Amino acid sequence: AQKVTQAQTEISVVEKEDVTLDCVYETRDTTYYLFWYKQPPSGELVFLIRRNSFDEQNEISGRYSWNFQKSTSSFNFTITASQVVDSAVYFCALRTIIQGAQKLVFGQGTRLTINP
Amino acid sequence: DAGVIQSPRHEVTEMGQEVTLRCKPISGHNSLFWYRQTMMRGLELLIYFNNNVPIDDSGMPEDRFSAKMPNASFSTLKIQPSEPRDSAVYFCASSLQGANIQYFGAGTRLSVL
Repeated sequence: AQKVTQAQTEISVVEKEDVTLDCVYETRDTTYYLFWYKQPPSGELVFLIRRNSFDEQNEISGRYSWNFQKSTSSFNFTITASQVVDSAVYFCALRTIIQGAQKLVFGQGTRLTINP
Repeated sequence: DAGVIQSPRHEVTEMGQEVTLRCKPISGHNSLFWYRQTMMRGLELLIYFNNNVPIDDSGMPEDRFSAKMPNASFSTLKIQPSEPRDSAVYFCASSLQGANIQYFGAGTRLSVL
């Protein structure tokens, strides 16, 4: 089964704290892609990152970093020195091919609140 | 560059009425996706098109839902007749086939009374 689990439903931290959002996935595919999207209060879904299953190198983009570990089927997302503008729902997703059709399977999302 | 454009942003209608949601994908993208987001079920893929052809509509809930893509720059999702349980946010996304990254529109918030 293709599945994405984001066990943390809600997280609340104080501004400037570091916070990690967990993502665990299940797939039988040997090649797959993982994604993170951000959904701010305005409602749109914003693409953050794509990771190929062959590339386990961690990635950093400003205050954002991603830790991909195939051994534990995890793709965690860390925000360093969080800011109020980081408040949003964050979705982890897995791209898979089912019966010849590509699908994005989303986790249930983690609602992150950054308090001033 | 313009992103994925959806209209209307908000739609309020009465049960039994026909509802049409519209989407203009990013120019040059040849894959288009319709999703529905609800609190209970999260984000679900309804249907997707490659080069204007429906590839997978297994997520379409029932015959009341239909989607068309008459050309590369326009798609519609129609619900007829609408029911209160159709209330949700409907997203359209587009991508370059093979590029994997889906870019989403701002969504249409549908309320069926």
